[in-house]
Amino acid sequence: AQKVTQAQTEISVVEKEDVTLDCVYETRDTTYYLFWYKQPPSGELVFLIRRNSFDEQNEISGRYSWNFQKSTSSFNFTITASQVVDSAVYFCALTLYGGSQGNLIFGKGTKLSVKP
Amino acid sequence: SAVISQKPSRDICQRGTSLTIQCQVDSQVTMMFWYRQQPGQSLTLIATANQGSEATYESGFVIDKFPISRPNLTFSTLTVSNMSPEDSSIYLCSVFAGLGEQYFGPGTRLTVT
Repeated sequence: AQKVTQAQTEISVVEKEDVTLDCVYETRDTTYYLFWYKQPPSGELVFLIRRNSFDEQNEISGRYSWNFQKSTSSFNFTITASQVVDSAVYFCALTLYGGSQGNLIFGKGTKLSVKP
Repeated sequence: SAVISQKPSRDICQRGTSLTIQCQVDSQVTMMFWYRQQPGQSLTLIATANQGSEATYESGFVIDKFPISRPNLTFSTLTVSNMSPEDSSIYLCSVFAGLGEQYFGPGTRLTVT
């Protein structure tokens, strides 16, 4: 069975600090996708990134960066120079490639509070 | 990407009644999904809805409680039947847009009193 663990329940930082959100996953399958979503207080789920299991390259998008390490089954998310607008709940998720695509297994989420 | 809309955005319903939630996508998609997010919790898949076939329900969810329709490739409905306060949640529609990308609608916030 698949599992996603986000050990950090809540994180509080001051604006401009860097913050890393941890995600550890479990699966016996060799082909899968990993996701990060942002859920601001308004409730919608905003897609941030998708990474497939064959691509271990790290990715950077503006202030966001992701570190995917298959050796440790981790897919961590770093926000550089955090801003108040980054305050949200962040979810890491996993889905298998193939017939189970779309059935995302979510972690419990990490609530990030960025204070001015 | 895919743009997804849901109706209603929120509702307050009486115990024992039913609510139908609509999901509209701006492009044709084969697979649509319905998720539930209970207060302060993560998301859980309710069912997968493919056009032209019956929905496939996850463990713990049954068709009598959550009937789903999928009349075409851009639309689906989820009904929450015989509601109780435990059904108070955000219900989200999701689509798999190919290339591993998956998008979610804005959600329907349901409160059952």
